[in-house]
Amino acid sequence: GENVEQHPSTLSVQEGDSAVIKCTYSDSASNYFPWYKQELGKRPQLIIDIRSNVGEKKDQRIAVTLNKTAKHFSLHITETQPEDSAVYFCAASFMDSNYQLIWGAGTKLIIKP
Amino acid sequence: DGGITQSPKYLFRKEGQNVTLSCEQNLNHDAMYWYRQDPGQGLRLIYYSQIVNDFQKGDIAEGYSVSREKKESFPLTVTSAQKNPTAFYLCASSIGWVTNTEAFFGQGTRLTVV
Repeated sequence: GENVEQHPSTLSVQEGDSAVIKCTYSDSASNYFPWYKQELGKRPQLIIDIRSNVGEKKDQRIAVTLNKTAKHFSLHITETQPEDSAVYFCAASFMDSNYQLIWGAGTKLIIKP
Repeated sequence: DGGITQSPKYLFRKEGQNVTLSCEQNLNHDAMYWYRQDPGQGLRLIYYSQIVNDFQKGDIAEGYSVSREKKESFPLTVTSAQKNPTAFYLCASSIGWVTNTEAFFGQGTRLTVV
């Protein structure tokens, strides 16, 4: 069945350094890949998304890259700040599942002062 | 103030009881969803609705039921048939389904079976 794998499950980086979270997906027909951020006790919120006709998208300190051949996409956060500490979820839409979003298990990002 | 509202925030249920979680949105969104979130796992889809009076089962629908009588409302009932109901439940909505647009989430309901 459709699957999204997310790595690592926990990532600890020094404040100011970069963080990279990677997701792989199983369905080559997937065409939409969002990333959500969930701070402790709060709701998940979309931070960036990418569609299959684009290889990279940037929004200030956040970027997402997509490699359709390898079926993986990554979230890049540069110049990390304490407020970046949260759980990050990737997801991919699957045509065969009526475009349902299948979610990764999440990455807990810890920013060390 | 537009948004999606879930209530209650915390809910305690005795074994054998049914409970209903509320989800209301004033964003005029067609699509609504219910997810279950367990520690260390991603969001798992329980039910979704693309339009009023229509809904479909997600990956883990057993032991749950929903209704979509109004566009703004998508309540979830956790029945006694759900064997492990203790979890964090998130409701979401989006403009449409196939268009793959942003999903807006409620604040969640934490259900505990006592």
